[in-house]
Amino acid sequence: KAGVTQTPRYLIKTRGQQVTLSCSPISGHRSVSWYQQTPGQGLQFLFEYFSETQRNKGNFPGRFSGRQFSNSRSEMNVSTLELGDSALYLCASSFNRLAGVEQFFGPGTRLTVL
Amino acid sequence: QKEVEQDPGPLSVPEGAIVSLNCTYSNSAFQYFMWYRQYSRKGPELLMYTYSSGNKEDGRFTAQVDKSSKYISLFIRDSQPSDSATYLCAMSGKGVTGFQKLVFGTGTRLLVSP
Repeated sequence: KAGVTQTPRYLIKTRGQQVTLSCSPISGHRSVSWYQQTPGQGLQFLFEYFSETQRNKGNFPGRFSGRQFSNSRSEMNVSTLELGDSALYLCASSFNRLAGVEQFFGPGTRLTVL
Repeated sequence: QKEVEQDPGPLSVPEGAIVSLNCTYSNSAFQYFMWYRQYSRKGPELLMYTYSSGNKEDGRFTAQVDKSSKYISLFIRDSQPSDSATYLCAMSGKGVTGFQKLVFGTGTRLLVSP
């Protein structure tokens, strides 16, 4: 079974621009969650999508948004990029939403904001 | 204060040494305790997890959870250079309903020298 895939793997943007990241979950997984990883803060939960609806949200500003399509693929958007948004953005998919242990991570998209 | 605290390291050991990695936490609602390994430029990979208290062994790896002290450990026996990576502890609750997000430590960088 193919794992979680994320595209693109690397992105370079400038301040003020916006960016869209994509995540394809493991086949059959309907829950997709997004995490931001930075050296100082580690991995922090952004939001979770299930059945095309955002179900849970972490403590991030409204510039961070996402959506999920009927095939469970998800996109994450960051508008008005700031230098501090430079991070590795990880997507995780799961079949059983009730067990955090069953989240499987993709390789991430490394975003650099100049 | 963060919910999960983890020493960032780096931790340098010679090949064959026993490695001890630790995390402390403050949220008594956590029920699942996980250890992830993350190689450079990759997403986190689940190594092993423990539900509630106790020990779990898998090959060279042993995970321990002490809920009374809110302290978890990962031991690596006969460490190998291929074990060089960042080790992340993560925790979640056990949901009856609703998504259980993962709460991560910041990770400990381990370097095993030949």
